[in-house]
Amino acid sequence: DAGVIQSPRHEVTEMGQEVTLRCKPISGHDYLFWYRQTMMRGLELLIYFNNNVPIDDSGMPEDRFSAKMPNASFSTLKIQPSEPRDSAVYFCASSSILRPLAIDTDTQYFGPGTRLTVL
Amino acid sequence: SQQGEEDPQALSIQEGENATMNCSYKTSINNLQWYRQNSGRGLVHLILIRSNEREKHSGRLRVTLDTSKKSSSLLITASRAADTASYFCATDRGSGKLTFGQGTILTVHP
Repeated sequence: DAGVIQSPRHEVTEMGQEVTLRCKPISGHDYLFWYRQTMMRGLELLIYFNNNVPIDDSGMPEDRFSAKMPNASFSTLKIQPSEPRDSAVYFCASSSILRPLAIDTDTQYFGPGTRLTVL
Repeated sequence: SQQGEEDPQALSIQEGENATMNCSYKTSINNLQWYRQNSGRGLVHLILIRSNEREKHSGRLRVTLDTSKKSSSLLITASRAADTASYFCATDRGSGKLTFGQGTILTVHP
């Protein structure tokens, strides 16, 4: 398996522009997570999906952020309009539950990240 | 407040020495996991320890968990320059998500 795939790897845009980040999780994984990492705030969970359904979006900073998962193999994180304070590395991760009715969260597999710079 | 706080924030050692990193958390957990992040890369899972386990080994890694003190430690024995990275603990409280700490930056000098 190729692992979690994210695109683009680097994005430089100007303030006010729309930014779309893409993620392809590992095939068969039923959880997908979007994180943001900055020096100041560390690694923050933005939103996560289970079986394509958003479960918890309490980490999404503002209405400017939105995430979708139209199918099991694709998710997007959109920022519109973007601001300089959105500059960060955005990670996508996926995982699966090992056993039926298991309560443990399996290990998460992270993508390489998208480094976003908003000028 | 942050669930999962690592200590120390930074650790600098010589190759061959052991490195110990600690993690404290505040609420009950199902399991605790340690991840590693090399500069400019995504996080990579190292080891998972469940709440009913006290110690676990994987190669040069040893993890302990003390649920009464709500703390865990990660020991890397005989460290190598290639172990230089940031190390994060993450707690699973059964909600389907992990909560990560701020990380410990480990530097191993050749």
